Amino acid sequence: GAVVSQHPSWVICKSGTSVKIECRSLDFQATTMFWYRQFPKQSLMLMATSNEGSKATYEQGVEKDKFLINHASLTLSTLTVTSAHPEDSSFYICSARVGGRDTGELFFGEGSRLTVL
Amino acid sequence: GQNIDQPTEMTATEGAIVQINCTYQTSGFNGLFWYQQHAGEAPTFLSYNVLDGLEEKGRFSSFLSRSKGYSYLLLKELQMKDSASYLCAAMDSNYQLIWGAGTKLIIKP
Repeated sequence: GAVVSQHPSWVICKSGTSVKIECRSLDFQATTMFWYRQFPKQSLMLMATSNEGSKATYEQGVEKDKFLINHASLTLSTLTVTSAHPEDSSFYICSARVGGRDTGELFFGEGSRLTVL
Repeated sequence: GQNIDQPTEMTATEGAIVQINCTYQTSGFNGLFWYQQHAGEAPTFLSYNVLDGLEEKGRFSSFLSRSKGYSYLLLKELQMKDSASYLCAAMDSNYQLIWGAGTKLIIKP
């Protein structure tokens, strides 16, 4: 299957700093990538849909100024958590869909566990 | 509103069979997905159903009934490595995935 790589896997930062997470599609081009966060024992929560060459589409309740998404190329999307606070500590996962929107299968990155002290 | 329901936790014995149910209510429907997620890892794709019926893939099978808004994931010959959370997700008319909270499957020897 297609490979999506996410980096870093683990990050610990101080409150008030910014953290950037990268999501790369290694063997295919992804015009659309998705960013999720997941709290312990809970399901995935879609944060935003990242579109190559245009602005991301954020889900209701997600602060676009806090969670900056950039999708500058067909193989890379980045999520920057700005001015991180302890409540931003979570598991962040990206995914990309191979092919058109109705082919379905999503390939996920390994996830990035953020801990804000 | 849109909603996915699946049991929170299930326990089964190694070598046995287990069925994880999922019911969904979405605005339109473009398919039902099952993903496996081991603790601390990202989900991995298991199956996709868009037509009624049973899809078999090795030890795992997935069933869909669109009229009932119902799906199940059937795991046979359970192995210890099958201990994981199983996420059900339905795709709505906008091709957005609506995720269930996941079913934690515990396999006992």
